[in-house]
Amino acid sequence: DGGITQSPKYLFRKEGQNVTLSCEQNLNHDAMYWYRQDPGQGLRLIYYSQIVNDFQKGDIAEGYSVSREKKESFPLTVTSAQKNPTAFYLCASSTVGVGGYTFGSGTRLTVV
Amino acid sequence: GDSVTQMEGPVTLSEEACLTINCTYTATGYPSLFWYVQYPGEGLQLLLKATKADDKGSNKGFEATYRKETTSFHLEKGSVQVSDSAVYFCALSDMVTGGGNKLTFGTGTQLKVEL
Repeated sequence: DGGITQSPKYLFRKEGQNVTLSCEQNLNHDAMYWYRQDPGQGLRLIYYSQIVNDFQKGDIAEGYSVSREKKESFPLTVTSAQKNPTAFYLCASSTVGVGGYTFGSGTRLTVV
Repeated sequence: GDSVTQMEGPVTLSEEACLTINCTYTATGYPSLFWYVQYPGEGLQLLLKATKADDKGSNKGFEATYRKETTSFHLEKGSVQVSDSAVYFCALSDMVTGGGNKLTFGTGTQLKVEL
């Protein structure tokens, strides 16, 4: 079955360490997105990519980095520059054009 | 910029009660509108969508009508079940440079349905 896979589901890291969250899709979607979810704040866009080897900053890109070397993969690195990294991170993908997204099941990152 | 405003929760209802979750939007273009549902610890699932004014999206007994004159997309269900307990997100999609689209979400409304 086609879908979008995020791993791991739970991730714990010490403060000051970089950490990379995985996102893979087999839907043949061109566009991929990373959102951050915090209680009471809805979803905020971190980065998005509409094509391989190209990506754009979203509303809260500071302290994050991404790469898009393959159509299927869009990993997110949370760097030590991100001041408050503990959150639920959601990856999504879509076809190009106006339409909805398919979401992964999320990664809950806790930095201690 | 684009924005979505939805009613704050939590909304607590008894089983078989009627549900309305209000959603209004601000957008410069002609966006598509969506409702997503999120169950605890999971990602978001598309519940329904409408792509132009006066369209009605419906799924699993939920429905919402795209009202351009009031810039609204309220979610309704005639009889809720305990299994409908979740967080509901209203969202709009607009085009970005390059042909892609960007979803802007409301803050979510938690629904609790009790026996």
